[in-house]
Amino acid sequence: DGGITQSPKYLFRKEGQNVTLSCEQNLNHDAMYWYRQDPGQGLRLIYYSQIVNDFQKGDIAEGYSVSREKKESFPLTVTSAQKNPTAFYLCASTRGLNEQFFGPGTRLTVL
Amino acid sequence: AQSVAQPEDQVNVAEGNPLTVKCTYSVSGNPYLFWYVQYPNRGLQFLLKYITGDNLVKGSYGFEAEFNKSQTSFHLKKPSALVSDSALYFCAVRDSYQAGTALIFGKGTTLSVSS
Repeated sequence: DGGITQSPKYLFRKEGQNVTLSCEQNLNHDAMYWYRQDPGQGLRLIYYSQIVNDFQKGDIAEGYSVSREKKESFPLTVTSAQKNPTAFYLCASTRGLNEQFFGPGTRLTVL
Repeated sequence: AQSVAQPEDQVNVAEGNPLTVKCTYSVSGNPYLFWYVQYPNRGLQFLLKYITGDNLVKGSYGFEAEFNKSQTSFHLKKPSALVSDSALYFCAVRDSYQAGTALIFGKGTTLSVSS
């Protein structure tokens, strides 16, 4: 998990509430990514950012939003529009065509 | 479109026996291929990658993978399995012409090594 931190480790959301997951990296990587992991479905891409102040939607962006104001930070907001947000969320980063480095993950549960 | 298939949801092997976890891929250009391992409630750990060169790639913890262009496969192997190898394994691919774009992951294969 080196170089990428995610917080909190566990997060609980009430119905209708927005929550923000933090992702920080000190690897000087240009690109950052958010994935959602559900049992038996592998990793699905939510959003990614290749440079500061720019980001693209992934396969399942509906109900999520991101920002990339600093190279080191790529927070993910899970909005009330995401009807089934309970999942394990993974942040990753990379430089160029190299492997992606992953954070330890945040487990989000809807109460 | 890029895609990755891991045809086995679960692989069971006895400790000391060789193991293989299968992966096939589809990309439009030359593939960059990766294997990751995940332990429960943890992030993914990088094991190895194929970019170019020798078809047999060696990685962490004694794992290796064989790139086969004609069969579009990149199977993960280990000569002698350990109980501690039990985990979830993911194969991933990136098209070589798309730097900075996200890896595409397979659905994962659970490896169970019995003592």
